[in-house]
Amino acid sequence: AQKITQTQPGMFVQEKEAVTLDCTYDTSDPSYGLFWYKQPSSGEMIFLIYQGSYDQQNATEGRYSLNFQKARKSANLVISASQLGDSAMYFCAMREDSNYQLIWGAGTKLIIKP
Amino acid sequence: DVKVTQSSRYLVKRTGEKVFLECVQDMDHENMFWYRQDPGLGLRLIYFSYDVKMKEKGDIPEGYSVSREKKERFSLILESASTNQTSMYLCASSLSGRLYNEQFFGPGTRLTVL
Repeated sequence: AQKITQTQPGMFVQEKEAVTLDCTYDTSDPSYGLFWYKQPSSGEMIFLIYQGSYDQQNATEGRYSLNFQKARKSANLVISASQLGDSAMYFCAMREDSNYQLIWGAGTKLIIKP
Repeated sequence: DVKVTQSSRYLVKRTGEKVFLECVQDMDHENMFWYRQDPGLGLRLIYFSYDVKMKEKGDIPEGYSVSREKKERFSLILESASTNQTSMYLCASSLSGRLYNEQFFGPGTRLTVL
């Protein structure tokens, strides 16, 4: 069964608008972490933001925030005031405390329109 | 500045050749990982290593082997390259211990097997 689901293969967003990238996950481990990475066309994976399952507050990093809804098992990435440089693939990933591995979603291709 | 480097950005090999992909990190990380990335499939873990000379199979180890003789270097070996191993290969490293320790990635090697 898919442990990480990103339902949006691609998205177009107007520059300066906010964008929400969806991620749902499945785990029975009470302790886990959720990660978002950005992959520009150059290919390198860039870490954006982390949310732990026991964190009381939603994570924020600059223009990135994570809308963490534990009961719904969703961890959506919100990018405020999108910029042309935000055009990239975005991946959601999860690590369970019992495991070294990161489990990855299939990714969402985000294109920002000028 | 943290760095993960991979020996080649682009590589073209013939079917049946033995292929070596090298990865070096300068962050003194315990964990190192090899992934392959194919469109629509996200990242799939081939092998990982949590210490020198230690290795664990990931989700798709068939046709691959690895070597970690020194802490900073993790090599991926394709014993007899096949066309279905044409892909982007990503190396990553991370500290062990904390759930929130993100993985740092190299720039990737795009391998074509003819």
